[in-house]
Amino acid sequence: GESVGLHLPTLSVQEGDNSIINCAYSNSASDYFIWYKQESGKGPQFIIDIRSNMDKRQGQRVTVLLNKTVKHLSLQIAATQPGDSAVYFCAENGSNTGKLIFGQGTTLQVKP
Amino acid sequence: GAVVSQHPSWVICKSGTSVKIECRSLDFQATTMFWYRQFPKQSLMLMATSNEGSKATYEQGVEKDKFLINHASLTLSTLTVTSAHPEDSSFYICSVLPGGNKRGGFFGPGTRLTVT
Repeated sequence: GESVGLHLPTLSVQEGDNSIINCAYSNSASDYFIWYKQESGKGPQFIIDIRSNMDKRQGQRVTVLLNKTVKHLSLQIAATQPGDSAVYFCAENGSNTGKLIFGQGTTLQVKP
Repeated sequence: GAVVSQHPSWVICKSGTSVKIECRSLDFQATTMFWYRQFPKQSLMLMATSNEGSKATYEQGVEKDKFLINHASLTLSTLTVTSAHPEDSSFYICSVLPGGNKRGGFFGPGTRLTVT
């Protein structure tokens, strides 16, 4: 069935370093992907999205890369800050309905 | 992004009672809302799609008679957990889909339900 998974459950980085969070998806028909940040006890917060007709999209301090050949998605955070500490989820929407399939989540810990 | 609120933010109830959770879209009309459930240290799982003016559609394995959804207006959807049991304890999160946007959603802050 459809699934979206993550390679690393926990990522610990030093403040100021760059972070890379990975995600694998299995539905080759998926054409829209979103990265969310979720802080403890809160709802997911939109970070950045990308459509399948793109390989890369940049935002403020964040970059999403999409490799459709191997069905892999990554989120890069530049100059990671303590405020970036949270759980990060990738999500997939392949049905054009707004239904999102979430990956397992990666906890990002930023050490001062 | 859109502003979405949920009420209550947390609730404790006894087994066998029912609990209603509200999801409000504060700055736009939402024809579609989604309800997700998240257990501790797990990902979000879609429960159902709430459609304004029509019946909700439920994901496989979600009991529609236990999780009642009402989307009576373009700004409000409610989820009622009926005859709650401890295993229903979870974080319930709604997301809204602005009219015409079929690609993603904006999430509410979530409601923590604890059933004792």
